[in-house]
Amino acid sequence: NAGVMQNPRHLVRRRGQEARLRCSPMKGHSHVYWYRQLPEEGLKFMVYLQKENIIDESGMPKERFSAEFPKEGPSILRIQQVVRGDSAAYFCASSLSYNEQFFGPGTRLTVL
Amino acid sequence: GQQLNQSPQSMFIQEGEDVSMNCTSSSIFNTWLWYKQDPGEGPVLLIALYKAGELTSNGRLTAQFGITRKDSFLNISASIPSDVGIYFCAGLPPGSSNTGKLIFGQGTTLQVKP
Repeated sequence: NAGVMQNPRHLVRRRGQEARLRCSPMKGHSHVYWYRQLPEEGLKFMVYLQKENIIDESGMPKERFSAEFPKEGPSILRIQQVVRGDSAAYFCASSLSYNEQFFGPGTRLTVL
Repeated sequence: GQQLNQSPQSMFIQEGEDVSMNCTSSSIFNTWLWYKQDPGEGPVLLIALYKAGELTSNGRLTAQFGITRKDSFLNISASIPSDVGIYFCAGLPPGSSNTGKLIFGQGTTLQVKP
């Protein structure tokens, strides 16, 4: 029973490049969430998606960030024209309902 | 916005000791979750609480949903070295009951001396 999978685990980008983070939810889970964690801090909600729909993106920066969860395939968090301040750990979580969210191992993004 | 305040920020204890940490807020929450995060990994769900006053155990871990719905605590009994990590509380506020938008505390770092 595989858990939430994320790849890559580590991603290095230069300023101005694009970063694509992928998340495969647990089998049977249709709710996907993305969170960001800065060093020494708790996780901050970014976006909540169900298949082909963005339900709540209130935590996502208005520019350069986008997320999708297509009918087939993983959820993608896309950051365009990355800046140094985007360096963080990005976690994906999935759930059957709105309460118990199970997290993946995260993608550590470093922007040079 | 809503915030969760976790305390203590860090703890350094002897193996075998009991540990207590808590999470408070000025706002009410409908659900409290406790997670543990190891270095370089994602948070792992330890305990979920859904009703005010609820007391739930998971092995050596016990957590309670405060009666006022504004706080929760986590106890670890007879600590062992593998309890080392960062413990996060997370709450689901009433307005987010149908979106799952969790609010996280800042974390409590636990270190256990063998």
